[in-house]
Formats: sequence, structure tokens, C-alpha cells
Amino acid sequence: GAVVSQHPSRVICKSGTSVKIECRSLDFQATTMFWYRQFPKQSLMLMATSNEGSKATYEQGVEKDKFLINHASLTLSTLTVTSAHPEDSSFYICSAFETGGGTEAFFGQGTRLTVV
Amino acid sequence: AQSVSQHNHHVILSEAASLELGCNYSYGGTVNLFWYVQYPGQHLQLLLKYFSGDPLVKGIKGFEAEFIKSKFSFNLRKPSVQWSDTAEYFCAVKPGNTGKLIFGQGTTLQVKP
Repeated sequence: GAVVSQHPSRVICKSGTSVKIECRSLDFQATTMFWYRQFPKQSLMLMATSNEGSKATYEQGVEKDKFLINHASLTLSTLTVTSAHPEDSSFYICSAFETGGGTEAFFGQGTRLTVV
Repeated sequence: AQSVSQHNHHVILSEAASLELGCNYSYGGTVNLFWYVQYPGQHLQLLLKYFSGDPLVKGIKGFEAEFIKSKFSFNLRKPSVQWSDTAEYFCAVKPGNTGKLIFGQGTTLQVKP
């Protein structure tokens, strides 16, 4: 199946700094990618829909100025957590469907963010 | 609001026991339905999906699920579990033509050898 790669897999940052997480579709193009957040022992919550060449669509309650999303190409979306705080510590996962009607979402391996 | 509810949060079974994990969703329109599995430290992997046609779908590793439209349910089953099935299981719904998935809370399955 198609592969979605996230980088980094783990990151520890100091409170107040910003962290960028990359999500790449390695062998397919994705005009749309999705960013999820997973708290320990909880489900995945959709944060935003990343659209290539246009603004991301954020879910209710997600601060767009804190979680900056850029989808500059058909194979790369980035999520930047700005001015990170300990409560932003979580597992962030991206996913993508193949452009042109793919029916299966492919997930990245996730990024464990720890803010100290 | 659209939501997905998984009834069992933590299930403990012995090997060879049968498994059924419940999943209900709330959305009145056309949906696509999925079950994902997350083994410890690994990606989410697709177990099976339903888009249309036969409401009984078969997936990988001996799993199957039945879509019952009248009950808004998509329960996951396996006749005989193995220790290697120990994992987190997520039911997910894709409403309409959107690409976003709405996940249930997840069920932790622990299979004792």
C-alpha cells in the first residue's frame, strides 16, 4: 500500500519554542492531508484538514494560530506547533488519501511531542 | 454532531475465544466505515472497510465486520483470537464525500496466551 512518512517520530522541546512536524506521501500525491491528535489512552481527534495550495480547515476548538499548517506541494504537509506548552504534549498523526478517489486513508507513524 | 461510539473500552480474552467489538455511529447520510488496528508502537493499520455492497465484509487476519444500516452499527468480529491480536482497535466513519475520519474512543484488546 501507499506510504505516509512523518518526521520526526519523537521530539522534545522547551516551553515557548516552536516545533515543525512533516508529513510526506512517499509514493502518491495527496491534495488533502489530515492532522490528528491522540491523547494517551484516547482516540484520534481530527485537528485540521490540510489543502494543497490553500488554507487549512480547522476543526472547532483548534487554534489555527497555534497549529500552523502548510501544504505547499502534493506530497508534503507541515504542522508547526507554535509557542508550545506542556499541554500541547501529545501524539500527532497525519493521514492522506490518494488524489483521484483513493478509498483508504494511509497514516503516518505519528510524532510524539513532549514539551518540557 | 457526528460521532462514533465503541462500547467496549477494554476487553480481555483467552486465546481461541471469539471476539465481537461494538461500534455505533451517528450520521444520517452515506458513510464509509472502517476498522483500524494499532499494535504497540506501530502505525494505524486498516483491518477492513465498508463502502457499499455486501454488508458483511472480510478483512485481514481473519477479521470481519457487519454493517447494519438500521442500527447504525459496524461491529467487528473474529471467531478465534490469538495472542498476537493484542492491540488497540478503532472504529472510524467517513461521512459523505469528505476525506476526514471520525474515530471512536478505541478498544484495548488483551489476549492472554
